[in-house]
Amino acid sequence: SAVISQKPSRDICQRGTSLTIQCQVDSQVTMMFWYRQQPGQSLTLIATANQGSEATYESGFVIDKFPISRPNLTFSTLTVSNMSPEDSSIYLCSAPDRGTYNEQFFGPGTRLTVL
Amino acid sequence: GENVEQHPSTLSVQEGDSAVIKCTYSDSASNYFPWYKQELGKRPQLIIDIRSNVGEKKDQRIAVTLNKTAKHFSLHITETQPEDSAVYFCAASKRGSGYSTLTFGKGTMLLVSP
Repeated sequence: SAVISQKPSRDICQRGTSLTIQCQVDSQVTMMFWYRQQPGQSLTLIATANQGSEATYESGFVIDKFPISRPNLTFSTLTVSNMSPEDSSIYLCSAPDRGTYNEQFFGPGTRLTVL
Repeated sequence: GENVEQHPSTLSVQEGDSAVIKCTYSDSASNYFPWYKQELGKRPQLIIDIRSNVGEKKDQRIAVTLNKTAKHFSLHITETQPEDSAVYFCAASKRGSGYSTLTFGKGTMLLVSP
């Protein structure tokens, strides 16, 4: 299975600021995914990050608010821009298993609190 | 797009009992159905999955069944233990030549009492 790490693990930010979350995978993968999990809720896909092309955003999420970078096959960043308290959530990245391309594994998440 | 409904939202059982969580999906083209377990403060962990060419899959105390005609699939946990207490999420996607995204159910909080 893919081993995925994220930084930071948690942060407390002031409204109006931005935070960049980093995600590292231990193997090369074509696609990486960013999810949001609000307290007590399910996982909602924000965007799919493809290496070498623009990220694909899901309905309700826009690039200006959640810009994504994918500079290589093992790394991606998600920025939460101009934050408000409504952005307080856990942000998780995920990637498929390189061998099977089926199973999807998650990073440990970044717990974001916006004051 | 795909829509996944999951029931119940909470489930309380006594240790040793069985637990069943059910999900339905809307897109008949979906062909891959994983289940994730998420303990408090932890990442979701893939515990079992099933593909549409299979009706049932078992792994020790857990099993998943799939009814393609009815578009529903279920997670069965036998001989539950307190460490099974967690939130369980079902998901659905379409696997083909490319990779398709997962659509998750809303989750079931399972509480196993000693």
